[in-house]
Amino acid sequence: DIQMTQSPSSLSASVGDRVIITCRASQDISNSLAWYQQKPGKAPKLLLSTASRLESGVSSRFSGSGSGTDYILTISSLQPEDFATYYCQQYYSTPPWTFGQGTKVETK
Amino acid sequence: QMQLQESGPGLVKPSETLSLTCTISGGSISSRSYHWGWIRQSPGKGLEWIANFYFGGSTYYNPSLKSRVIVSVDTSKSQFSLKLSSVTAADTALYYCAKTNTATFDLWGQGTLVTVSS
Repeated sequence: DIQMTQSPSSLSASVGDRVIITCRASQDISNSLAWYQQKPGKAPKLLLSTASRLESGVSSRFSGSGSGTDYILTISSLQPEDFATYYCQQYYSTPPWTFGQGTKVETK
Repeated sequence: QMQLQESGPGLVKPSETLSLTCTISGGSISSRSYHWGWIRQSPGKGLEWIANFYFGGSTYYNPSLKSRVIVSVDTSKSQFSLKLSSVTAADTALYYCAKTNTATFDLWGQGTLVTVSS
């Protein structure tokens, strides 16, 4: 199975901060990477797919980049509604699809 | 607007079979534009993909669960189901059904908590 490792596991930030979350795959996943946002008591919400494609209705302050094994989710200017846990997911080639362990963005 | 809703027992005894149903509203389960999946979330293992069902095509299972999982569909009720046999405490989790494009999950149910305990 392809292992996904996110860092950091948690971070503290303030409204207006630029936030960067990284996700590393155990092998090249050729941009087959999605990012999700999950708020307490809610299901995950798909933010981006193919590493950098923003889903319809998702704020443009979210962006994704990367290639090979290393990927980044950037929140350009953190808003109050962005405090949540973020997960990456790889869907390269054949299953199983796997998720990172999550990064919790908390208020400083 | 399409919505998904999981249902099923919240408590299952060890060694028994967990059975959950996902009901789809606002869309057609048999559309070849949509595919469906199950994911679970537990404190110990995080998010874990269980299975994807491609209507009119294949079903893919997580190899770690494949010997115990069956996914089926009832188009007349706009439902698809998950059965997980021989459960243990390790199967205690929040179970989600979701719509999938290919292998990303763009619409989720609210989730249903299943506890395995005697």
